[in-house]
Amino acid sequence: DQQVKQNSPSLSVQEGRISILNCDYTNSMFDYFLWYKKYPAEGPTFLISISSIKDKNEDGRFTVFLNKSAKHLSLHIVPSQPGDSAVYFCAASSLAPDNYGQNFVFGPGTRLSVLP
Amino acid sequence: GAVVSQHPSRVICKSGTSVKIECRSLDFQATTMFWYRQFPKKSLMLMATSNEGSKATYEQGVEKDKFLINHASLTLSTLTVTSAHPEDSSFYICSATLQTTSTDTQYFGPGTRLTVL
Repeated sequence: DQQVKQNSPSLSVQEGRISILNCDYTNSMFDYFLWYKKYPAEGPTFLISISSIKDKNEDGRFTVFLNKSAKHLSLHIVPSQPGDSAVYFCAASSLAPDNYGQNFVFGPGTRLSVLP
Repeated sequence: GAVVSQHPSRVICKSGTSVKIECRSLDFQATTMFWYRQFPKKSLMLMATSNEGSKATYEQGVEKDKFLINHASLTLSTLTVTSAHPEDSSFYICSATLQTTSTDTQYFGPGTRLTVL
């Protein structure tokens, strides 16, 4: 049973518009969430994170929203650029007391294509 | 779906000893595997790219002699932390790439928690 789901395997968006990538989780013990971006033949790179005490975190064009009651988070990219075309993974973790992750689980990824 | 396993899931060792962590792709062949280290409340840091049959490619700042990577087969990569010290205590995660003619999909292992006393 997948603990972290990204139900859209792919998404296409026009350049300049908003990209919204969704992620759902089932384990209510998760309290820290991260988004990663991956280009072909490269490892994922960290984008943005949010802890469960917040419902929004913004960094430039990237904003992550967390809805704990719905166990849902989303990544918004505004405005979308062709260079944003990549696979996006969401990950969930429950922080151990020493702040290292435990039960660190990744979703299957969503492939975003930003069309010029 | 494809599964990636890591062994062990947790390891505690004394300072100065070496620890080997295995990453296996259970139902697919992975020509490329990646090794990451997680820092407290932060993102995963990519340590190295492990290619089957050739030397690993290390990221800047990662000591090659400290973190030995071997990718002996298409389903197994190992990370050996040599002469471990308490500052090496961390959460290590691997991922494996499943490549088809049209896709390049990444599957992550569950991670290994290393504690060096």
